[in-house]
Amino acid sequence: NAGVTQTPKFQVLKTGQSMTLQCAQDMNHNSMYWYRQDPGMGLRLIYYSASEGTTDKGEVPNGYNVSRLNKREFSLRLESAAPSQTSVYFCASRLGYNEQFFGPGTRLTVL
Amino acid sequence: DQQVKQNSPSLSVQEGRISILNCDYTNSMFDYFLWYKKYPAEGPTFLISISSIKDKNEDGRFTVFLNKSAKHLSLHIVPSQPGDSAVYFCAAGTKTSYDKVIFGPGTSLSVIP
Repeated sequence: NAGVTQTPKFQVLKTGQSMTLQCAQDMNHNSMYWYRQDPGMGLRLIYYSASEGTTDKGEVPNGYNVSRLNKREFSLRLESAAPSQTSVYFCASRLGYNEQFFGPGTRLTVL
Repeated sequence: DQQVKQNSPSLSVQEGRISILNCDYTNSMFDYFLWYKKYPAEGPTFLISISSIKDKNEDGRFTVFLNKSAKHLSLHIVPSQPGDSAVYFCAAGTKTSYDKVIFGPGTSLSVIP
């Protein structure tokens, strides 16, 4: 099992460009999550999907959109990137009340 | 206002000694707590959890203690090993809204051989 995979690993964007971060899990988990990690801030929840076909806002959703394409895949889209979105992005999945499993992260820089 | 605080950004410990990582929370509604460990360039991995109905949970070298009256929990690692050098995140959630786990800012542990 690959667990949670994320692409790309690194990305540099210019202000105003758009991009989609991809996430997939092969553990048949119902819930999937997108977090961002900034220095001194821990991980902050951007959006989550409790099940296929549903998505909900987390703590910091502004400037992002998500799509739960199917049970395996959950993508995060930046429509018009801003320097404040420079961060490391983690996708995670979870089955029920158990712990979350995280992907390796995408390091995004917006110039 | 941070609901989950880890006031020590870093900690250094000698190999073989005890590492104690602390975490404080402000929301009395939290009813479960987790610790995650993160190595550089990797995602966090789950370490240990505790429910609010318990005051201690142990898993091998790792023990988490919960003091609900003080809204404080701690992670003890005994004995500490160089491979334990990582960033440790404390996290908390409520079972009624369990998708919205709140993470602390992390403590970077260095175990010196």
